[in-house]
Amino acid sequence: GAVVSQHPSRVICKSGTSVKIECRSLDFQATTMFWYRQFPKQSLMLMATSNEGSKATYEQGVEKDKFLINHASLTLSTLTVTSAHPEDSSFYICSARVALAGGPVQYFGPGTRLTVT
Amino acid sequence: QKEVEQDPGPLSVPEGAIVSLNCTYSNSAFQYFMWYRQYSRKGPELLMYTYSSGNKEDGRFTAQVDKSSKYISLFIRDSQPSDSATYLCAPSSGNTPLVFGKGTRLSVIA
Repeated sequence: GAVVSQHPSRVICKSGTSVKIECRSLDFQATTMFWYRQFPKQSLMLMATSNEGSKATYEQGVEKDKFLINHASLTLSTLTVTSAHPEDSSFYICSARVALAGGPVQYFGPGTRLTVT
Repeated sequence: QKEVEQDPGPLSVPEGAIVSLNCTYSNSAFQYFMWYRQYSRKGPELLMYTYSSGNKEDGRFTAQVDKSSKYISLFIRDSQPSDSATYLCAPSSGNTPLVFGKGTRLSVIA
């Protein structure tokens, strides 16, 4: 299957600082990538849809000025958590969509665990 | 009604058992059906995908889709302790992002 990587896998930062998370599709091009957030023992919550070369579409309740998304190329999307606070501590997972013979499929990265102190 | 409903479990079975995981959905526009497996502190891993009613088999896994009743299932034969994870069903219309239910936590006891 297709491979999606994320970096870093884990990050600890101080309150008020910004953190950038990278998501790459390693062996395919993805015109659309997605960012999810997952709290412990909860389901994945979609934060935003990112299309290459255009502005991201954010889900209701997600602050676009706080969670900056850039989809600079067909293989790279970044999520920047600006002015992070302890309540932003969570597991962030990116996903890339690819068209297969049977239909479109989303592959997920391994996730980034963010801890804000 | 939520778009995707799944019994969160936990479901505990002995090693070697046949596991049945089920999911219902409400959106008749869903045409593609995926099952993911998520281990603790990892991203979801694609297990199966299909775009039609009926069965699809891959090794010990069988995905079953009944579009008329909006019901999808994943069967695991000869379950192993390594199958212990959370299983997420993900129906899709194709042009919208996947929306997940809570997933079902499975424990296979050796």
